[in-house]
Amino acid sequence: AQTVTQSQPEMSVQEAETVTLSCTYDTSENNYYLFWYKQPPSRQMILVIRQEAYKQQNATENRFSVNFQKAAKSFSLKISDSQLGDTAMYFCAFMMTFGGGSNYKLTFGKGTLLTVNP
Amino acid sequence: GAGVSQTPSNKVTEKGKYVELRCDPISGHTALYWYRQSLGQGPEFLIYFQGTGAADDSGLPNDRFFAVRPEGSVSTLKIQRTERGDSAVYLCASSLNPGELFFGEGSRLTVL
Repeated sequence: AQTVTQSQPEMSVQEAETVTLSCTYDTSENNYYLFWYKQPPSRQMILVIRQEAYKQQNATENRFSVNFQKAAKSFSLKISDSQLGDTAMYFCAFMMTFGGGSNYKLTFGKGTLLTVNP
Repeated sequence: GAGVSQTPSNKVTEKGKYVELRCDPISGHTALYWYRQSLGQGPEFLIYFQGTGAADDSGLPNDRFFAVRPEGSVSTLKIQRTERGDSAVYLCASSLNPGELFFGEGSRLTVL
């Protein structure tokens, strides 16, 4: 079974600063996807960024980027120029893939509560 | 609507009662997921559908939980003989591309 571990229950950062959230995972599979999802207070969860394991290049989406270390099974999220609206729970998630573009179940970590302070 | 719709948004019931939670996914999304989230925890997988069939129901905790998606669109999560430990937010999500889930706002279930 796959497991996803987020070792930082809570973090805080000053507005405009950079913060990195950690995630490690355990799997014996070689083909999989990794994700970061964001859950703002009292709002629904949304996808932030996605990484395919076969791609060596780290994914980026505007101010969000990842550091994917496949051998170490590490997948951290870096948020640059933090904004007040980034305050949320952040969940790391893992999904196996067997090719063909099909969906499978996502396994989520327990989350990191990020607070951006003015 | 444009997003995933879940009803009811809040449900309070008594121990032992039967509950149904409904999810209306984004039109055209073939995959539909149910998760359960307790306070301060990550979403816990329950079941997912690919079309009308349950592709993976390994997360259903016991036989009191059942879900259907008869026409490949709307899904209903059914909980029999509810227990206080079933209290949680039940999240539904739909997806077209692998892992790109669109979540609803959830149904908060409280079992007294």
